[in-house]
Amino acid sequence: QKEVEQDPGPLSVPEGAIVSLNCTYSNSAFQYFMWYRQYSRKGPELLMYTYSSGNKEDGRFTAQVDKSSKYISLFIRDSQPSDSATYLCAMSFTGGGNKLTFGTGTQLKVEL
Amino acid sequence: GAVVSQHPSRVICKSGTSVKIECRSLDFQATTMFWYRQFPKKSLMLMATSNEGSKATYEQGVEKDKFLINHASLTLSTLTVTSAHPEDSSFYICSARPTSGMSNEQFFGPGTRLTVL
Repeated sequence: QKEVEQDPGPLSVPEGAIVSLNCTYSNSAFQYFMWYRQYSRKGPELLMYTYSSGNKEDGRFTAQVDKSSKYISLFIRDSQPSDSATYLCAMSFTGGGNKLTFGTGTQLKVEL
Repeated sequence: GAVVSQHPSRVICKSGTSVKIECRSLDFQATTMFWYRQFPKKSLMLMATSNEGSKATYEQGVEKDKFLINHASLTLSTLTVTSAHPEDSSFYICSARPTSGMSNEQFFGPGTRLTVL
């Protein structure tokens, strides 16, 4: 079993839809949770950073962490074609050498 | 803020040559930088952790003599692929963790695409 599981997709939605992206993890030591967006042939861009259970909102993006279920989500409201990218969840813990453990990434396509 | 650059963005070289890739944190200091490799449609694979002023820590299976890392300052780390071969062709991405601020946040560079002929 991988430490972090993420559905690779592809996920195709119409413009304006609410998108839900999810990751599950097995290591209860993970404390910090991140979502990155990666466009083709570019480096990942940090979208959201959380370190506790609950919700964090930033514009059209909401990150949700449920440590009891070892489950994190990223919601994108009013999705736009420019949101089409691969979304990677990542997590780490203090004492883990500051290393990030990534999910495989979910490829999202928002269609007009 | 929190911008990381990489140079070059793309390089094509002949088999047997060495290639150096630079990673710079432009507006913050980074005691720790990381080097990743990414294959098409795959996630990032951590190669090594680079610490300013000390030796890099390599992940299992990564040849340290093949992939030389130098972290000479708080804003610059370099990865040198020595005696490159076609199987080294890949997308190499660095990230930097700010010395100050949130403990495990990392910012990524735009990546370097290496093609070895």
